[in-house]
Amino acid sequence: DTAVSQTPKYLVTQMGNDKSIKCEQNLGHDTMYWYKQDSKKFLKIMFSYNNKELIINETVPNRFSPKSPDKAHLNLHINSLELGDSAVYFCASSQDSHQPQHFGDGTRLSIL
Amino acid sequence: DAKTTQPPSMDCAEGRAANLPCNHSTISGNEYVYWYRQIHSQGPQYIIHGLKNNETNEMASLIITEDRKSSTLILPHATLRDTAVYYCIVRVADNFNKFYFGSGTKLNVKP
Repeated sequence: DTAVSQTPKYLVTQMGNDKSIKCEQNLGHDTMYWYKQDSKKFLKIMFSYNNKELIINETVPNRFSPKSPDKAHLNLHINSLELGDSAVYFCASSQDSHQPQHFGDGTRLSIL
Repeated sequence: DAKTTQPPSMDCAEGRAANLPCNHSTISGNEYVYWYRQIHSQGPQYIIHGLKNNETNEMASLIITEDRKSSTLILPHATLRDTAVYYCIVRVADNFNKFYFGSGTKLNVKP
């Protein structure tokens, strides 16, 4: 039933490690997104893919690399994790780039 | 980057209408007004959007002033489950669908 699902829900790891977050949507949408919500609760867009093609990259450090194996999946890989990467990461999807976005429930990343 | 201004918090009695204001005085002619909400520990949820005309759906009504410089989201009969942070967002109807979320309004619905 879950429309946009993210795994894992919680991720606790140490500085310097590499980790991945997975996102899948079963809505048949063409466009997917990654957002970061920091400790002050500001939600900022990071990336957007349309039909597996990158269309938005909001000056995110190149330690963050999104990958879209197909249009139902958009994974986020983070290299050399830093303390400032601690946040909640949300995946979203929309039918196309004009339609409202549907969000997953987030992945809570904590860097020790 | 957020182009909207919202009060940080509001209270509403359960069963009453909740009217959430939003100022977007620099809105351009091709920018839509969107409303989302975020219930604690969940992802943002789409509520409604509009360009010029007032809009209504099963969740809420959106009233946009004639000059489009402000809008009001109306939850006609607030319930405790409507307690959330409500975000008012303006975005250009282009091909990129970038949303810039501000700090939102924390709506507290009280029994």
